[in-house]
Amino acid sequence: QVQLVESGGGVVQPGRSLRLSCAASGFTFSTYAIHWVRQAPGKGLEWVTVISYDGINKYYADSVKGRFTISRDNSKNTLFLQMNSLRPEDTAIYYCATGGGGYGEPVHYWGQGALVTVSS
Amino acid sequence: EIVLTQSPDFQSVTPKEKVTITCRASQSIGSSLHWYQQKPDQSPKLLIKYASQSIAGVPSRFSGSGSGTDFTLTINSLEAEDAAAYYCHQSSTLPWTFGQGTKVEIK
Repeated sequence: QVQLVESGGGVVQPGRSLRLSCAASGFTFSTYAIHWVRQAPGKGLEWVTVISYDGINKYYADSVKGRFTISRDNSKNTLFLQMNSLRPEDTAIYYCATGGGGYGEPVHYWGQGALVTVSS
Repeated sequence: EIVLTQSPDFQSVTPKEKVTITCRASQSIGSSLHWYQQKPDQSPKLLIKYASQSIAGVPSRFSGSGSGTDFTLTINSLEAEDAAAYYCHQSSTLPWTFGQGTKVEIK
């Protein structure tokens, strides 16, 4: 069955960096666009970024543009999120999520999430 | 960006009652509107896709309707296990956006 497993979360000081990974299995990873969606504690869902199936096209929310970078390694079925210049407001559970090859598909598959806490 | 506004924010409902949650988009999104259920400490789960299309394995008491800017999620005959937060989501245009959520509590 489809599995998305995030890792790399933790506690980090403001201004520092963190890299999340998402290991995928159970589907043809290289044909799916993959998103990161985050959820601050007790809050709603916020879309962060998406990468096309081939890694060429990337789009970001204004709140993370210039600080976060999404990438993927299709040979290893793995998605990454490099987060630089972290701020307290970036504190959230980060989910990798996908539904299909295009950007218009709903999310059929969610990971379990990785908690990122930005605090001094 | 497209803003999605859900109502109500919170609803306390007795079992077997009908629940209606609405989602209004700030501009037309056709049918690119989806609904998710999220229980505490769990990832969201897709309930309805493209406004009204059912998802395999989701109980038939969940249904959706609407198009353009106004959408509705209906839960017929609420069960105790339906206590959760519900979110609408538009995939018509990047950036994706989500409604603020509706928390459904069982009385």
